[in-house]
Amino acid sequence: GQQLNQSPQSMFIQEGEDVSMNCTSSSIFNTWLWYKQEPGEGPVLLIALYKAGELTSNGRLTAQFGITRKDSFLNISASIPSDVGIYFCAGQNGGSQGNLIFGKGTKLSVKP
Amino acid sequence: EADIYQTPRYLVIGTGKKITLECSQTMGHDKMYWYQQDPGMELHLIHYSYGVNSTEKGDLSSESTVSRIRTEHFPLTLESARPSHTSQYLCASSQNSGPGRSPLHFGNGTRLTVT
Repeated sequence: GQQLNQSPQSMFIQEGEDVSMNCTSSSIFNTWLWYKQEPGEGPVLLIALYKAGELTSNGRLTAQFGITRKDSFLNISASIPSDVGIYFCAGQNGGSQGNLIFGKGTKLSVKP
Repeated sequence: EADIYQTPRYLVIGTGKKITLECSQTMGHDKMYWYQQDPGMELHLIHYSYGVNSTEKGDLSSESTVSRIRTEHFPLTLESARPSHTSQYLCASSQNSGPGRSPLHFGNGTRLTVT
């Protein structure tokens, strides 16, 4: 089946540093979504991308839909302790089910 | 502000017991989903529904069953729980236009432990 390769698997950074994570796939996706999950909670949508090449920001977060439609990245600028959590990418290919495929997640730890 | 509610949040139960995980949403969404997630791991789709009386199997095979008698309610049932069912179960919903144009809204999950 389709798979998303998300990297890095985990990151340990100092408060104030910038963060970058990405997802790649061998398949084309029509939509890329980025979610954040905190301990004991469900994932919360951060950014949705609908067009190849689209660059979208949400506060300190910026995400891009790759031109090839097979990849996406998420950047977090000037990280703060509350950025801690697991970040998941998800792709949708608009197939017969149109359901999301999730990456394995990037676990972010921020040291004050 | 949660518009999608899951109960219970935590459940510890013995092998062989029948359990039902509840999920309700107040957003009037047509499409609902159940995902299974081991701690710190990716989400796997186990069931979804397009609307009332619609249920479909997801990508990950599961011994659980679901029903959709009302738009707002999508319970998941395990007839005979086993330790291999220990996991977190996340419910989600979206408009029927698909999860892309109408992103998924997740509940806070039920963490199930089968002893």
